[in-house]
Amino acid sequence: SQQGEEDPQALSIQEGENATMNCSYKTSINNLQWYRQNSGRGLVHLILIRSNEREKHSGRLRVTLDTSKKSSSLLITASRAADTASYFCATSQYGNKLVFGAGTILRVKS
Amino acid sequence: DVKVTQSSRYLVKRTGEKVFLECVQDMDHENMFWYRQDPGLGLRLIYFSYDVKMKEKGDIPEGYSVSREKKERFSLILESASTNQTSMYLCASSFSGLGDTDTQYFGPGTRLTVL
Repeated sequence: SQQGEEDPQALSIQEGENATMNCSYKTSINNLQWYRQNSGRGLVHLILIRSNEREKHSGRLRVTLDTSKKSSSLLITASRAADTASYFCATSQYGNKLVFGAGTILRVKS
Repeated sequence: DVKVTQSSRYLVKRTGEKVFLECVQDMDHENMFWYRQDPGLGLRLIYFSYDVKMKEKGDIPEGYSVSREKKERFSLILESASTNQTSMYLCASSFSGLGDTDTQYFGPGTRLTVL
């Protein structure tokens, strides 16, 4: 069952612009994670935000979490062509399982 | 760095064949997972394992089985491959510590085509 739903499904921007992706989920969570997948490859973990955190930064990445709205956003600032990939949110509810959304495809044009 | 390897990047099999997908991790992780990824559906959990010889069904276990005889190795078995099992298969592992640091580390994926 899908917990996270990303929006938009696809995003195309120019190099240097910011990219924002959103994730909504349905039930209470322990944490929410964002992963990146380059074409035809495995997923790479980007950032984790706990349920008691509201914002987190890592380099050019900024993640926010609003548990009252059950939503999160991932902002990539000053995007580069190398940021072209699919981005997935994943929620952790209990144990060590994650539930992934369908992903946002980001294309950064140079 | 954690390394998760999968036995094949690309695999082509015929309907009815028995297929083995192997996954090995080198970080002594307790948890291992098998997902399949299809366009528009994201990642769906097939099976996971918290320990050696232990397995739990995920969301879509039908048509699959798994084996975990050693901590570092988790195998996915398609007993009789069918064309609707054509997909990208991703293996992942994670540490089973206290708290909520359940980051998963993924292998490169196996793209399986069943003809």
